[in-house]
Amino acid sequence: EVQLVESGGGVVRPGGSLRLSCAASGFPFRAYGMSWVRQAPGKGLEWVSSISWNGGDTGYADSVEGRFTVSRDNAQNSLYLQMNNLRAEDTAFYHCARRTLGSEGWDFDYWGQGTLVTVSS
Amino acid sequence: IVMTQSPATLSVSPGGRATLSCRASQSVSSNLAWYQQKPGQPPRLLIYAASIRATGIPARFSGSGSGTEFTLTISSLQSEDFAVYYCQQYNNWPPITFGGGTKVEIK
Repeated sequence: EVQLVESGGGVVRPGGSLRLSCAASGFPFRAYGMSWVRQAPGKGLEWVSSISWNGGDTGYADSVEGRFTVSRDNAQNSLYLQMNNLRAEDTAFYHCARRTLGSEGWDFDYWGQGTLVTVSS
Repeated sequence: IVMTQSPATLSVSPGGRATLSCRASQSVSSNLAWYQQKPGQPPRLLIYAASIRATGIPARFSGSGSGTEFTLTISSLQSEDFAVYYCQQYNNWPPITFGGGTKVEIK
C-alpha cells in the first residue's frame, strides 16, 4: 500500500524556518518524481515545488522561490522541504504528492494527509 | 498560466449530470488533471492528460478538451460525488497551477 506521511509542521514566527519531511512507503520511491502542494485552511490548492526522481530537476512557485528548497534522500525514502524566511501567507497544510504512475506529466496520484504550518507572531 | 474554473458552485440533484469547466489563460495542450477533494481529506486524482481516468475511478467521470478549454463531466451523480473539484495544468512546468475549484452541492 502506498503511504506518504508528512511531519515537521508547527507554529513558527515570521522570518523563522522549518523543515518538513515526507516518509514514503509501499512503492519504489527512487523511481518517482515528487512534489509539495499546500492548502491554506478553507482555501484552494497551491503548488509549491517539485523534484525529479533523481533530484536533478527542481521547480518552485514564484511565491516561495529563493526561500524554500526541496530535496530528497532516495536511500531513506524521504522527501524534504526546507522553508526559510517564513511569512504569514505561508500558513497552510503542506501535502507531499507522488507523480502519477504511467503519466508523462506532473499530475499526482497519491497524496499525504498533510502537516500544518502556522506562521504567526 | 491562470486556470479559471466555473461555476464556483454547482447545485445538482442525485442522479443528475454535472458539467464542470476549466479554462487556461494560454494553451496547456492536454496537460491537465482533475481532482476531487472532500473535507478533511487530501485531493484524489480523477483524470490526467485531460481525458484518461486514473486507476479505480468510475466510468461516470469523464474528461475532455485540449488547448485552453476543458470539461469534467459526472454523468449520474452519486451521494459520494458531492465535493470540491479542482483542475490542474502541468504544461512546461514550472510552474504548475491549480484552478480555484468548483463545489458540487446537493440540489
